[in-house]
Amino acid sequence: DTGVSQNPRHKITKRGQNVTFRCDPISEHNRLYWYRQTLGQGPEFLTYFQNEAQLEKSRLLSDRFSAERPKGSFSTLEIQRTEQGDSAMYLCASSFLTGGGYTFGSGTRLTVV
Amino acid sequence: QKEVEQDPGPLSVPEGAIVSLNCTYSNSAFQYFMWYRQYSRKGPELLMYTYSSGNKEDGRFTAQVDKSSKYISLFIRDSQPSDSATYLCAMSAGLTGGGNKLTFGTGTQLKVEL
Repeated sequence: DTGVSQNPRHKITKRGQNVTFRCDPISEHNRLYWYRQTLGQGPEFLTYFQNEAQLEKSRLLSDRFSAERPKGSFSTLEIQRTEQGDSAMYLCASSFLTGGGYTFGSGTRLTVV
Repeated sequence: QKEVEQDPGPLSVPEGAIVSLNCTYSNSAFQYFMWYRQYSRKGPELLMYTYSSGNKEDGRFTAQVDKSSKYISLFIRDSQPSDSATYLCAMSAGLTGGGNKLTFGTGTQLKVEL
């Protein structure tokens, strides 16, 4: 296992288009998290899954955002009708059910033009 | 006021210097404290993980937590140019206090010069 994998690494899209990102966590980890990071800021929590159940969503996650984790393995984050304010690095992380520090992926950098 | 405050820097030090990075926080429910290192255009990498108050040492890195003052620190000894990165503090209330959701500081940008 080579860690948390995110694809694509970089996505450029026009305003109003839909985008989808994928995260493959460390296989032994039960929990999967999505964070968003803008320039000069620390990552901000968006949502997390325990196995296939989405247990919490931040108020930052508007109705245009949806996340899934079918079968408790990989996860997808979709943004509909993208806006320029959605431009950010989207980070995925995973951890054991018993907690501990996360392992982050390298992120997907979204640029909305 | 943010839950976690961190001086954004930038901080520039000569090679071999001792670096001190700090964060303060306001949420007394935080029990787990972490330091992450983030290189440009990469995801954060876990450096140190501590529970409650006390010190933890790992090689050139020492993490300190003072829950009574709501203050955490990371010390880097014998700093190297490869330590140049953004250092993020992060904390959580644990599994029963929010599902291990992390709250991050803004990050301190460190440059170690030859």
